[in-house]
Amino acid sequence: ELKVEQNPLFLSMQEGKNYTIYCNYSTTSDRLYWYRQDPGKSLESLFVLLSNGAVKQEGRLMASLDTKARLSTLHITAAVHDLSATYFCAVLLRDDKIIFGKGTRLHILP
Amino acid sequence: DAGVIQSPRHEVTEMGQEVTLRCKPISGHDYLFWYRQTMMRGLELLIYFNNNVPIDDSGMPEDRFSAKMPNASFSTLKIQPSEPRDSAVYFCASSLAPGNYGYTFGSGTRLTVV
Repeated sequence: ELKVEQNPLFLSMQEGKNYTIYCNYSTTSDRLYWYRQDPGKSLESLFVLLSNGAVKQEGRLMASLDTKARLSTLHITAAVHDLSATYFCAVLLRDDKIIFGKGTRLHILP
Repeated sequence: DAGVIQSPRHEVTEMGQEVTLRCKPISGHDYLFWYRQTMMRGLELLIYFNNNVPIDDSGMPEDRFSAKMPNASFSTLKIQPSEPRDSAVYFCASSLAPGNYGYTFGSGTRLTVV
C-alpha cells in the first residue's frame, strides 16, 4: 500500500526562522507535487517536481526531490505570517493518480 | 479561463436524501478527478475519468456513491441515500497531463448531512 508521510504534521514557528517540511513516500515515482491550502479554501499548486534532483524556488519556499531516497523537502526561509497554511505533498502513481500526504499545518507567529 | 467550477459551494441535506455535486473542468483538460477531504482521513481519491471514461473508481466508498461524465465539460458525483458520515468537502480537479502539470482544483463543495 502506498504511503505518503509528511513530517511534521503541525508546526508553529516564529517569523524570521527557517524550517523544513519532509515528505517520504513508499513507492517508485519521479513526480512529486506540493500544494498549499488556506483554511476553508481550495488547494493551490506550488511546485511540480519532475525528476530526481529537481529543485524549485518561489519566494521564501524551496522544494527538492530525491527519488532514490523517496524524499522531498519543502524549505521555508525567513518565515513570514502570510505563509501560514496547510502544505500537502503528493505523489504520482503509474496510472496518473496522485496520492496526497496528510498535510502539514504551519502556523507562523508574528 | 475560469478554472475548475464546482457547484453548489455549500449543501446541507437531511439523511436519506439524494445529493448531486457538479463539476465543470478546465476546457481542454482530459482528466477529471473527484476527491473527498475530511479531518480524519485527509484527501481521498474517489474516482477519476480520462476522456470522459471512468478509469478507476476503487476509492468510491460504497454503492451509494456514483459518478458520471456525460461530456468533456461536465461531471456529477451523486450520493443516494446520503448519511451523516458523508459530510465532508468534495473537490473536483482537472488536468491536461497529471505527470507534467499536476492538478487544478475547484473551490470544493462543503456537504453537511444532518
